[in-house]
Amino acid sequence: QMQLQESGPGLVKPSETLSLSCDVSGDSINNLWWSWIRQPAGKGLEWIGRIYGGGITNYNPSLKSRLTMSVDTSKNQFSLRLSSVSAADTAIYYCARGRTFITVDGSPGDFFDYWGQGALVTVSS
Amino acid sequence: EIVLTQSPGTLSLSPGERAALSCRASQSLSSNFLAWYQQKPGQAPRLVIYSASTRAIGIPDRFSGSGSGTDFTLTISRLQPEDFAVYYCQQYDSSLYTFGQGTNLQIK
Repeated sequence: QMQLQESGPGLVKPSETLSLSCDVSGDSINNLWWSWIRQPAGKGLEWIGRIYGGGITNYNPSLKSRLTMSVDTSKNQFSLRLSSVSAADTAIYYCARGRTFITVDGSPGDFFDYWGQGALVTVSS
Repeated sequence: EIVLTQSPGTLSLSPGERAALSCRASQSLSSNFLAWYQQKPGQAPRLVIYSASTRAIGIPDRFSGSGSGTDFTLTISRLQPEDFAVYYCQQYDSSLYTFGQGTNLQIK
């Protein structure tokens, strides 16, 4: 059974780096795309970025300058690092598995069929 | 960036009624790559529909998706108590995935 589980500190100080990991069970992390999505309290969903099992990444341009994603195939795990955080980065962070289809233009596009339960990260001093 | 606008923001209906939720894209989704998710309080979103009209595994057939181009609809034919939730649409037609702001489907 496919499961994803986020882990990491729940409290991060302003200007520091937010780090989260997502443990995947029930499927190999190889040959699939994996995404991070966040949701501020009471608000909507924002796609952060995605990583392929081989390490290729695509980031949301609005976060790209502060964002690093990585994958550890030996642990079947992928990770997120967001630097120089502020209160605006306070949110529930979800990891999710991407199901990839190819557009008519030949580009890949993902929707998300499995999600982690989410990890609340608060940015505060 | 493709902006998705969902309407109405809140929809109040009774069990047994039919719900129609709208999602409009700021530009045409050439591949109709649009998904719908259901989110209940304290839970992660759950995939309902993908590719505009394909039901996800385990989703009852009272849920259906339709539309193409810029206008898409999620229809729930006979509302059950467990269907009341927030619904989000998401486009994956462009490389920057975006979500709508959500429709809160609440019990009348």
